[in-house]
Amino acid sequence: EAGVTQSPTHLIKTRGQQATLRCSPISGHTSVYWYQQALGLGLQFLLWYDEGEERNRGNFPPRFSGRQFPNYSSELNVNALELEDSALYLCASSFEGARTEAFFGQGTRLTVV
Amino acid sequence: GENVEQHPSTLSVQEGDSAVIKCTYSDSASNYFPWYKQELGKGPQLIIDIRSNVGEKKDQRIAVTLNKTAKHFSLHITETQPEDSAVYFCAAFAGSGNTGKLIFGQGTTLQVKP
Repeated sequence: EAGVTQSPTHLIKTRGQQATLRCSPISGHTSVYWYQQALGLGLQFLLWYDEGEERNRGNFPPRFSGRQFPNYSSELNVNALELEDSALYLCASSFEGARTEAFFGQGTRLTVV
Repeated sequence: GENVEQHPSTLSVQEGDSAVIKCTYSDSASNYFPWYKQELGKGPQLIIDIRSNVGEKKDQRIAVTLNKTAKHFSLHITETQPEDSAVYFCAAFAGSGNTGKLIFGQGTTLQVKP
């Protein structure tokens, strides 16, 4: 069974541009979470989608947004990129909400230059 | 707000020794506590989890203990091996069922010396 897959693996953008990151959850999982992991730091919660709806978001500005599609895959969009947005963006999925086991993908390394 | 504190930030042990990582959480309503292992260049991997209705859970060389009164939970790794070297994260589910989220500790870098 395939795990959580994220694309692209690496992404290089210029300050001010927009970035789109994609995530495909494990088959059967309806919840998708996005986390930001800046270098040397822990995982900061970004967004949680379940059944196509945004359930919760972390303390990030509105230029961080996303959506979940009917097949439960998800996109994370970051507008007006800033240098400090450079980080590993991790997606995780679970069967039913955050109280159940969440499995992570390999992440997308976003570099803003 | 919700917070998870993790200690120590780095831990170095000799192969065969035990390693203990401790976490405290702030939301007394938290009831799910997973632990993740992250190797270099990879995403975090779930290694063990515990729910608030039990005090201890073991899986081979790994065990987790939970003290709900003190809001503490710990990861114990026995007979450590070099391949246990990684960054370990604790987490706690905070908030209500439909809007809650997993809050992570800052991570512990474990080095197991051969």
